[in-house]
Amino acid sequence: EDQVTQSPEALRLQEGESSSLNCSYTVSGLRGLFWYRQDPGKGPEFLFTLYSAGEEKEKERLKATLTKKESFLHITAPKPEDSATYLCAVHNSGGYQKVTFGTGTKLQVIP
Amino acid sequence: EPEVTQTPSHQVTQMGQEVILRCVPISNHLYFYWYRQILGQKVEFLVSFYNNEISEKSEIFDDQFSVERPDGSNFTLKIRSTKLEDSAMYFCASSGLASRGDTQYFGPGTRLTVL
Repeated sequence: EDQVTQSPEALRLQEGESSSLNCSYTVSGLRGLFWYRQDPGKGPEFLFTLYSAGEEKEKERLKATLTKKESFLHITAPKPEDSATYLCAVHNSGGYQKVTFGTGTKLQVIP
Repeated sequence: EPEVTQTPSHQVTQMGQEVILRCVPISNHLYFYWYRQILGQKVEFLVSFYNNEISEKSEIFDDQFSVERPDGSNFTLKIRSTKLEDSAMYFCASSGLASRGDTQYFGPGTRLTVL
């Protein structure tokens, strides 16, 4: 069964203090790994899709990287508006359509 | 930018009542999904729908649940007889293709409260 583990559960940063969120995954075959942002009471908002080890994608202050066992979401010089829960999810290549989510990392950026 | 929409944003119902949650997926997408998120827990897959039939479902999606695409734009989730434990956020999602990990785009959700 696919498993996604995210760490830390919660992270508190000062504005401008860079850090990384971790997503460790176990799948029989990876079709894609996704990062989403979720604000309280809202739906997951798509950030990135990564397909193969070594791949990197960037968007503003965020950069996602992928290895064969884990993915990192690097946040450079975060701002208070980056405060949210960041979700990692995997799509198995075994013909399934479902995406399996981790429990997320709740990020708080203090001004 | 195209987006998934859902109605209502909040539904309150009595235990044992039927509810229908509605979604309008992104117009050129082919795969449609329902997920749920119980407060404080992770997002869980319920069902996927393609070519007018269920293509995959989880253990959660039992006989009390059904899905339908009644016309060319709407996608619905029906819960026949709601239970207290059905209280959760329900998210609709859609994707263009299921091949190569095509991205699933999520709607804003419907908060279902069962009393």
